[in-house]
Amino acid sequence: TAGITQAPTSQILAAGRSMTLRCTQDMRHNAMYWYRQDLGLGLRLIHYSNTAGTTGKGEVPDGYSVSRANTDDFPLTLASAVPSQTSVYFCASSLDRGPYNEQFFGPGTRLTVL
Amino acid sequence: AQTVTQSQPEMSVQEAETVTLSCTYDTSESDYYLFWYKQPPSRQMILVIRQEAYKQQNATENRFSVNFQKAAKSFSLKISDSQLGDAAMYFCAYRSLDTGNQFYFGTGTSLTVIP
Repeated sequence: TAGITQAPTSQILAAGRSMTLRCTQDMRHNAMYWYRQDLGLGLRLIHYSNTAGTTGKGEVPDGYSVSRANTDDFPLTLASAVPSQTSVYFCASSLDRGPYNEQFFGPGTRLTVL
Repeated sequence: AQTVTQSQPEMSVQEAETVTLSCTYDTSESDYYLFWYKQPPSRQMILVIRQEAYKQQNATENRFSVNFQKAAKSFSLKISDSQLGDAAMYFCAYRSLDTGNQFYFGTGTSLTVIP
């Protein structure tokens, strides 16, 4: 099973350009999340979605937007990239109930903004 | 919001020895879930072990076990018979049942295994 896929694996982006990071899951999980990982700061939540059609802001949402048109896809868009958005981005998904409710993670996207 | 604290940025252990990684959290909730994730150099996040707060028995998965102290809000991970493949970044995570589906992560502990 594929689980969660992210694209691209890595990207170098010029400051001021826009970019969409793609995330797709095939586990029919209702909840999806975007995190950024920076050295010494752990994982910080950017945006989340508890179900298709709804989204919410996490700890560090500024400069990012998301959409959840269906259950499987949860793209993250940087409208005008800045160097401080250089990071590794992880997409994750989970069920919202039941004993097996851990988060499953994609392989990450390494983004460098110059 | 809930906070998760991992006070040991780096730890090291001799191969075949035992090491304990610390995690504390702050919450006013009575029911929640706790997790330990492992992130090797491949960058992939891997679930190591989970604990339901309403269960008093400590979770165990092969060489990995936890010491869950609910009153102290502590959730440490013990790795027994450490192996070279255990070298990784370890993250403690808290899942709130009150604030939707949100998870809260600590800043991680980097574990080195010495041959």
